[in-house]
This record gives sequence, C-alpha cells and structure tokens, in this order.
Amino acid sequence: EDQVTQSPEALRLQEGESSSLNCSYTVSGLRGLFWYRQDPGKGPEFLFTLYSAGEEKEKERLKATLTKKESFLHITAPKPEDSATYLCAVIGSYGGATNKLIFGTGTLLAVQP
Amino acid sequence: ETGVTQTPRHLVMGMTNKKSLKCEQHLGHNAMYWYKQSAKKPLELMFVYSLEERVENNSVPSRFSPECPNSSHLFLHLHTLQPEDSALYLCASSRTSGGTQETQYFGPGTRLLVL
Repeated sequence: EDQVTQSPEALRLQEGESSSLNCSYTVSGLRGLFWYRQDPGKGPEFLFTLYSAGEEKEKERLKATLTKKESFLHITAPKPEDSATYLCAVIGSYGGATNKLIFGTGTLLAVQP
Repeated sequence: ETGVTQTPRHLVMGMTNKKSLKCEQHLGHNAMYWYKQSAKKPLELMFVYSLEERVENNSVPSRFSPECPNSSHLFLHLHTLQPEDSALYLCASSRTSGGTQETQYFGPGTRLLVL
C-alpha cells in the first residue's frame, strides 16, 4: 500500500538550532514528492517539488533532499516565523490523470526565541 | 485577487441544512480538487476535476456533491451532513500537462462545523 510517514510528529527548537524533518515513503513508481508548509487555520503553502533521487532544492533557511526511500527537510538557523506544520506528499504511478497526492500527517515545528 | 480563494472561510450548519462551498482559482490552471482535512489525519482527496470533467470520486458519501461549471470555479454542495463531517475543506488547483506532475496550489480552506 502506498503511504507516507513523517517524523517526528512534533519538534521544538530554539532559534538558531538547526534540524531536519523526515518523510519516508512507499510508493509504486515515484513521480513527484512535494513539501508544503501549513499555518494554523490556513491552507498548505507550496515549498518544493522533487522528482528524482539525488535532487536538492533550497529556499531561504530550508533545503529539501530526496533519496529512493525518503526525503529530508533541513532547517538551518530557524526563526520563530518558521513555526508551522510541514507536510510531505507524493504522487506515484497510480496517479494517472487524477494527479492524486498521498499526504503524511505532518511535523509540527515550534521555534522558540 | 491572486491564487486560490475559498468562501466562506467559516461555516456552521445543522444536519438538515443545505449549503455550498465555493472555490475560485486565478492561476490559469485546468484541474481542481477538493480535499478534507480532519484533526490528526492526513489530507484526504475527495474529488478531482480535470478540464472540467470529474476524473476522481474518492468514495465520498453522496451528501457531498461537487460541481465544476468552468476551469476557474469549483463548488461543493452539502446536504444532510453528519457531525463527523466537521473539518477543514480545502480546494486546490494545478495545471495538467502529459506525464509531468504539476504542483497543486491550495486555497485557505473553509472551516466547517456540523451541529
């Protein structure tokens, strides 16, 4: 069964304390892995798309990497405004015409000043 | 307006009411989606419209009825809902282009409470 598992469920960091979030996936024929950020009461905000193992993308303090089994979202010197839930999602070969995303449950990140 | 907008942002309804959620995308996309997000659960895909045709109905109860009159607008009609249908309902849109998986962009959601 295709699935996405994110860890940890929650993470508390001090401002400036770098860390990584993990997204492990099991999917038939990965066609894309997506990272989103979601603030309370709001819709997910797109961060990155990764398509193949070895690919990396960066945006400000965030860097996403991809292997054949998992993806990491590295947060370097986080600030309180980075506090949010980070969601990982994948599309596999089943996606077909529906572009069906399979989501994980997210990692709730809290960055304290 | 830019991006994906949803109205209303909050909705409280009784189990016998009929209401509709509205979504509009200003991104020139040709695919639109409805998702349900419940506490402690992953986002669940409900419906997909591609080029204004429904291509996915993810075993959603008939008390939810989608409508896509054109590529920019999507509705979710609600009737005789149950308390367990209380959740955040999210609309998303993307561009479909052959085998490439285009990114889905989400609206702010409608927080629904069924009493």
